[in-house]
Amino acid sequence: EPEVTQTPSHQVTQMGQEVILRCVPISNHLYFYWYRQILGQKVEFLVSFYNNEISEKSEIFDDQFSVERPDGSNFTLKIRSTKLEDSAMYFCATKTTVVSYNEQFFGPGTRLTVL
Amino acid sequence: RKEVEQDPGPFNVPEGATVAFNCTYSNSASQSFFWYRQDCRKEPKLLMSVYSSGNEDGRFTAQLNRASQYISLLIRDSKLSDSATYLCVVNTDTGRRALTFGSGTRLQVQP
Repeated sequence: EPEVTQTPSHQVTQMGQEVILRCVPISNHLYFYWYRQILGQKVEFLVSFYNNEISEKSEIFDDQFSVERPDGSNFTLKIRSTKLEDSAMYFCATKTTVVSYNEQFFGPGTRLTVL
Repeated sequence: RKEVEQDPGPFNVPEGATVAFNCTYSNSASQSFFWYRQDCRKEPKLLMSVYSSGNEDGRFTAQLNRASQYISLLIRDSKLSDSATYLCVVNTDTGRRALTFGSGTRLQVQP
């Protein structure tokens, strides 16, 4: 069964450093999302991406964050200057069409720890 | 008011029990509804979509009440493997296409 993959599984970084989280979507999927989950809290939407541009972003997704699909396969989330409060699980999700009942498939997540 | 509200639990039930989870959502423009399951430190996985007429998948039954903005999940004959956090998820379908998650209800099935 096709699946979304994410690397690394765990990233430890110092405050102020840049991190890049990577996602490989399922091959025929067109819609991509990043979510985060702070430990013990709910899953929160960050950004959606379609046709090589951001479709929508939440208030969490400030200028520190950026996304791109540099090579047509990987979908990346960059955090420019990490803060302690960026420590969380970051999940990539992908979806084949815009139809709302169509399932979003989640990757296994990257655990980001900012020290 | 939270967009999607759930009782956090935990619900501790014996094997074989029937357990019900409830969820309310605040945005009347919400279009699609789901129950996801999340195991500890893992990604959310779709359990089932929730349709207006209600739907059943084996031991799991989901109901939607649009007038009351209320969603439910019933699990019959609980198994140890059902122990997880159950996430009520809504899509407002206003163009964002992103999912809005509740905080989840934790279920612990005991032998």
